[in-house]
Amino acid sequence: DSGVTQTPKHLITATGQRVTLRCSPRSGDLSVYWYQQSLDQGLQFLIQYYNGEERAKGNILERFSAQQFPDLHSELNLSSLELGDSALYFCASSPLAEAYNEQFFGPGTRLTVL
Amino acid sequence: AQSVTQPDIHITVSEGASLELRCNYSYGATPYLFWYVQSPGQGLQLLLKYFSGDTLVQGIKGFEAEFKRSQSSFNLRKPSVHWSDAAEYFCAVGARPGGSYIPTFGRGTSLIVHP
Repeated sequence: DSGVTQTPKHLITATGQRVTLRCSPRSGDLSVYWYQQSLDQGLQFLIQYYNGEERAKGNILERFSAQQFPDLHSELNLSSLELGDSALYFCASSPLAEAYNEQFFGPGTRLTVL
Repeated sequence: AQSVTQPDIHITVSEGASLELRCNYSYGATPYLFWYVQSPGQGLQLLLKYFSGDTLVQGIKGFEAEFKRSQSSFNLRKPSVHWSDAAEYFCAVGARPGGSYIPTFGRGTSLIVHP
């Protein structure tokens, strides 16, 4: 158990819908990272937040957005969902801002878009 | 931009045999290098990392990796594989676009262990 929690574990929804994925980092960790894992693209970095501020941005679509709240939990919002958005979404956390520190991964949220 | 290649999609070994998983990276300077393991239904767990110094890095669960700059490689090794090592293994390179060091992951190698 990494100490990172993600909810829900599974999510099934329809095209065009909007969903919110939630992540609680390890106690004391200030950085949160979001990744998308799919068979097509592998593990892709989406976005990083550090202490409430956006720190780095990767291959995140404009239909996707994220935020980190004062209690340091983070949410990833996915809207206008398409079939291709079906994937495993991981959240990871680390104590500091620099991403070369060890990242602790949650168990993931499996999103299925029908 | 940095990239990582894991040439082997699947590797099958017998329990007790030695293991080497290959990783090649592309980056203009000395990168930060990582190996992560993903067990079925789990998130990724860091096995080891290389930043600088000794090119042979020891990790958890008896794994080690060697950084070879001349070959742009960071291969993962284990002298004797256990059935519990069956998992997906990811090599990653962390570079510094915009100062972020965000790791770029390879596509992974699936390790199958035969009894």
